[in-house]
Amino acid sequence: AQKITQTQPGMFVQEKEAVTLDCTYDTSDPSYGLFWYKQPSSGEMIFLIYQGSYDQQNATEGRYSLNFQKARKSANLVISASQLGDSAMYFCAMRGPNTGFQKLVFGTGTRLLVSP
Amino acid sequence: EAGVAQSPRYKIIEKRQSVAFWCNPISGHATLYWYQQILGQGPKLLIQFQNNGVVDDSQLPKDRFSAERLKGVDSTLKIQPAKLEDSAVYLCASSEGQTFYNEQFFGPGTRLTVL
Repeated sequence: AQKITQTQPGMFVQEKEAVTLDCTYDTSDPSYGLFWYKQPSSGEMIFLIYQGSYDQQNATEGRYSLNFQKARKSANLVISASQLGDSAMYFCAMRGPNTGFQKLVFGTGTRLLVSP
Repeated sequence: EAGVAQSPRYKIIEKRQSVAFWCNPISGHATLYWYQQILGQGPKLLIQFQNNGVVDDSQLPKDRFSAERLKGVDSTLKIQPAKLEDSAVYLCASSEGQTFYNEQFFGPGTRLTVL
């Protein structure tokens, strides 16, 4: 079965610094997608970045990049130049052919706090 | 483009009462999802619709939860009767399709408290 592990319950970073949020996954599927979502205190899940298992390059979206290490089964999110508005919960998720009609499986999340 | 709409945003009920949540997905999105997010956990899929048909309800407690998607657009999720452990945020999401690279767009969620 597919599983996502986020081992950091909370992370602190100063404004303008970079931060890495860890995510490891477990799957036997050769084809899968990895996602990161941000959940502010208001509750909605905001899509940040996607990495496909066959993508040759690491995904980037503005200040977000995904450090994809397939052999290690890790998909860490890197946020560069942190901003106060980045304070939120961050969830790593995966989706694959064998997760039951491609349902998203989420980790337990990491709470990021950005200080001035 | 309007996002996924959900109502109500908050609901407080007593155990054994019934409650219903409503979701309006993004226009044109064929796939609709209901997730349950218990405090301190990631969202867990309850049910997935493709148009108005159910494609995955393996984690839906069918003895008390039900969901429907009339005419393949709006959806309602019902709990009857509610238990204390149903206290959670219920998130609705939609996507254009079911493939694993299709981005899911989430609504603001309904926070349910069962007393």
